[in-house]
Amino acid sequence: QKEVEQNSGPLSVPEGAIASLNCTYSDRGSQSFFWYRQYSGKSPELIMSIYSNGDKEDGRFTAQLNKASQYVSLLIRDSQPSDSATYLCAVIVNNDMRFGAGTRLTVKP
Amino acid sequence: EAGVAQSPRYKIIEKRQSVAFWCNPISGHATLYWYQQILGQGPKLLIQFQNNGVVDDSQLPKDRFSAERLKGVDSTLKIQPAKLEDSAVYLCASSRLAGGMADTQYFGPGTRLTVL
Repeated sequence: QKEVEQNSGPLSVPEGAIASLNCTYSDRGSQSFFWYRQYSGKSPELIMSIYSNGDKEDGRFTAQLNKASQYVSLLIRDSQPSDSATYLCAVIVNNDMRFGAGTRLTVKP
Repeated sequence: EAGVAQSPRYKIIEKRQSVAFWCNPISGHATLYWYQQILGQGPKLLIQFQNNGVVDDSQLPKDRFSAERLKGVDSTLKIQPAKLEDSAVYLCASSRLAGGMADTQYFGPGTRLTVL
């Protein structure tokens, strides 16, 4: 089992819809979780971090964490074409940051 | 505030040649990371420095890769000799605090290496 797993996509949603990105992780001891956005040919940029069970909202973005299910998700409300990118889930495992392979999101106008 | 700087942005070499990458972190950032990102995959941590000391190099292929961070600021990553499977983007990142990967990491633009 991979340490951090994501559906590679591509995920396609129409403009204005909610995009839902999912991530599972294998280490029950993980405490820190991150979502990064990576545009094609660019470097990752941090969108959100989450450390506690429940929801964390920042603008159009909501991160959800369920440690019992070892599951973290990212919801993007009112998706815009500019949100089209690869979204990387990252988890701290044994004091190392482990990234998933990413989910490619396309928002169609 | 200037971001993380890396050079070169692109490099093409033949297998068995050597190559070096340079990184200048954000001013004042204590921790510096080198990642390897192969096409279609997420970044993989190669080495983490805290000031000028190595915190974690468990995933660094030490038979061919080396890295240093002199004076706790700039860092270089070297590959000698390169293999075809080293073709990837090499990302440098830095974070303000010492002692925690939970701190926000800021990534540089990366160096795209192609090994022929």
